[in-house]
Amino acid sequence: QITLKESGPTLVKPTQTLTLTCTFSGFSLSTIGVGVGWIRQPPGKALEWLAFIYWDDDKRYSPSVKSRLTITKDTSINQVVLTMTNMDPVDTAAYYCAQRLGSGRGFDYWGQGTLVTVSS
Amino acid sequence: DIQMTQSPSTLSASVGDRVTITCRASQSISSWLAWYQQKPGKAPKLLIYTASTLESGVPSRFSGSGTGTEFTLTISSLQPDDFATYYCQQCNTFPLTFGGGTQVEIK
Repeated sequence: QITLKESGPTLVKPTQTLTLTCTFSGFSLSTIGVGVGWIRQPPGKALEWLAFIYWDDDKRYSPSVKSRLTITKDTSINQVVLTMTNMDPVDTAAYYCAQRLGSGRGFDYWGQGTLVTVSS
Repeated sequence: DIQMTQSPSTLSASVGDRVTITCRASQSISSWLAWYQQKPGKAPKLLIYTASTLESGVPSRFSGSGTGTEFTLTISSLQPDDFATYYCQQCNTFPLTFGGGTQVEIK
């Protein structure tokens, strides 16, 4: 059974750095073809892809926020971490991590999401 | 970036109706398209990938078609559990991009 769960602060102040952790089980991020991504969704708005990390540590970022993002993985403890610097109220959103089984597929399994509010 | 445009943005339908949602890509993505269903307060759920492959466990009333730049998601007979918001996503190239969503409402 594959599960993912996001954790991190629910409230951050403007200009602070957000660190979110995705803890997963039921698969290995060492398996060829597997990757984990982060997607966010502002309240009442559409989904926005942010970052993706492959099994071989290759990384991809959304150009719109690339300068602010870092994605890393720790395969030994089944975690993927996303950091986003210089948070702004417009970054208020539900943040999801999700697994992709292979290239060209959608995201097969999603975490429940975590709502992050940016406010002073 | 590849832009994904969904239509309509809102759709009112009744139980038993046949429903079709369209997704257009700003450039060809071959068949690298996924469809998701999202209910309020919940994570999206993968319904279809590679444009027409039904994810395991998804009811057969859902189907997808298309290639290149135009795609459709069809629900053959709308059920009460299907009232939700649907998103398409291109899986062809990074940056990955989603459509704006289609909310299926009760008529």
